[in-house]
Amino acid sequence: SQQGEEDPQALSIQEGENATMNCSYKTSINNLQWYRQNSGRGLVHLILIRSNEREKHSGRLRVTLDTSKKSSSLLITASRAADTASYFCATTTGYSTLTFGKGTMLLVSP
Amino acid sequence: GAVVSQHPSWVICKSGTSVKIECRSLDFQATTMFWYRQFPKQSLMLMATSNEGSKATYEQGVEKDKFLINHASLTLSTLTVTSAHPEDSSFYICSASDPDRPGTDTQYFGPGTRLTVL
Repeated sequence: SQQGEEDPQALSIQEGENATMNCSYKTSINNLQWYRQNSGRGLVHLILIRSNEREKHSGRLRVTLDTSKKSSSLLITASRAADTASYFCATTTGYSTLTFGKGTMLLVSP
Repeated sequence: GAVVSQHPSWVICKSGTSVKIECRSLDFQATTMFWYRQFPKQSLMLMATSNEGSKATYEQGVEKDKFLINHASLTLSTLTVTSAHPEDSSFYICSASDPDRPGTDTQYFGPGTRLTVL
């Protein structure tokens, strides 16, 4: 079953703009991760945030986690055309088992 | 590091035949591997968790006799789709976790295998 729900389902922006994607989940989690998937390819791990963390940065990525609202956001700053991909959040409630959300398709136009 | 490969990357087969997909961890030993299925424009759905040397744990609704999983070594897991039918056409992705790496909840994904059953 799917745990996470991302919104928006699709996002179209111009290069240089920031992109924000949100993820909500239903049950208590150990951690939440964000993955990126280019069309027809495997997933690339972007960032992991643990349940006791509120914010994490990695390069142009900023992830927040609000366990009281059971939600997370992924911010990509200064987007590039190469950021075009689908982005998935995934939660872990037990050891290593991931439950994925439905994903957000991001299109960054030059 | 932490590279996972899959073979083949795509396969077309006739209805009723069986197809084997391999998942390998190239530079680490993966005690646990996972198999996911992804239909077009949808998310990944976990099919089963594969532990080296033991039987796989299948998710609810996944037929273990149809999707045979073997994890005979620490670097190789195989998924065999038996008697494939057109509705089995999908993108199959494996992943592996590396217990020796920090943040053991991180999974490393293979590039996926596109299966088309005619």
